Amino acid sequence: DTGVSQDPRHKITKRGQNVTFRCDPISEHNRLYWYRQTLGQGPEFLTYFQNEAQLEKSRLLSDRFSAERPKGSFSTLEIQRTEQGDSAMYLCASSPQGDYQETQYFGPGTRLLVL
Amino acid sequence: AQSVTQLDSHVSVSEGTPVLLRCNYSSSYSPSLFWYVQHPNKGLQLLLKYTSAATLVKGINGFEAEFKKSETSFHLTKPSAHMSDAAEYFCVVGSARQLTFGSGTQLTVLP
Repeated sequence: DTGVSQDPRHKITKRGQNVTFRCDPISEHNRLYWYRQTLGQGPEFLTYFQNEAQLEKSRLLSDRFSAERPKGSFSTLEIQRTEQGDSAMYLCASSPQGDYQETQYFGPGTRLLVL
Repeated sequence: AQSVTQLDSHVSVSEGTPVLLRCNYSSSYSPSLFWYVQHPNKGLQLLLKYTSAATLVKGINGFEAEFKKSETSFHLTKPSAHMSDAAEYFCVVGSARQLTFGSGTQLTVLP
């Protein structure tokens, strides 16, 4: 398998609970991204890692959200004290590092529903 | 700062007729531009990308896009639509650190 994988694919949780999502990028890609897509909208950037360093964070990433990439391979996105407004598709992407804008390859996403 | 405006939220065409999906961008530097497609319950797939090598960019499945700096446009075209082209299409402007997506154009292909 050479694509980006995400786990779980679907998550239903109750408001106030914590959830954690995992992303496994394409193995030789050292850049990793998280996006959020709500119904009828385009994906919105959340955060960016180069290797294990988190180099960019959107203001959308409130203090209830935290992302890690401890060994520069897989990444986790945790949402604490979930709210109904967190219901969305959470997308992970990866890209190789190069001189120009490299293509980002997207995983299938994790669909979160907060009841 | 960078942004993308997709001028049509929905486009309907008949099978076998041309497709035109319109996109305007704003960027404070020479942009990288992309078109991605999203089929229902499937992940985002790259159709094509522009990174200043050539203004006319050819992508997969017969799609192409032309970068027009004077018009700040990057419209997506295909000479003949196929039923399998029905999907959501996103115009995207990118930097090395993030992509900025448009709101999407839903393409419907009528038999």
